[in-house]
Amino acid sequence: GQNIDQPTEMTATEGAIVQINCTYQTSGFNGLFWYQQHAGEAPTFLSYNVLDGLEEKGRFSSFLSRSKGYSYLLLKELQMKDSASYLCAVNLSNDYKLSFGAGTTVTVRA
Amino acid sequence: EAGVTQFPSHSVIEKGQTVTLRCDPISGHDNLYWYRRVMGKEIKFLLHFVKESKQDESGMPNNRFLAERTGGTYSTLKVQPAELEDSGVYFCASSQVIGSNEQYFGPGTRLTVT
Repeated sequence: GQNIDQPTEMTATEGAIVQINCTYQTSGFNGLFWYQQHAGEAPTFLSYNVLDGLEEKGRFSSFLSRSKGYSYLLLKELQMKDSASYLCAVNLSNDYKLSFGAGTTVTVRA
Repeated sequence: EAGVTQFPSHSVIEKGQTVTLRCDPISGHDNLYWYRRVMGKEIKFLLHFVKESKQDESGMPNNRFLAERTGGTYSTLKVQPAELEDSGVYFCASSQVIGSNEQYFGPGTRLTVT
């Protein structure tokens, strides 16, 4: 089976920074995705890492270490609208069959 | 450009009945994926179409589930007969063969089997 672990919940204050960690042990690896999902809505793409290092996109950054089986999503300057579930997903093969973690619910407080 | 759409948004059926879920991918996307999230668990892969062909159906739970994509456009996922453990949210996603690695997800169909 695939093991993709991320914290269940995190709480942070508006304007702060939050880092969501994801560790994985999978049968294959062809990149790691982060998705954001608001309740009752579709997961939306945030980032994709296939090589080691940091990818920055506005207030969101994602980091990957393949040797450690580790990734994190960094959310800066938190806004209330960032309250959502954040899903870590590993692309297991060339055809982009994704294996998901259970998701981290982030709550941003005023 | 329209996103991935799914119908219905919610379905409540009794155990033993049949339900058919529909997914319309983004126009031009050859790859179509079905996923499922049961209560309290992670989203799990069900199967993958490339155009009208099943590329990988290793995640299909059992033979009560039948997916089709005739003509390589929209796809249907039929559950017959439905069981209580089939309850969950069924997501569809699509992507291009060449270009972005990103899978675009639909809003999901929430299926409740009573």
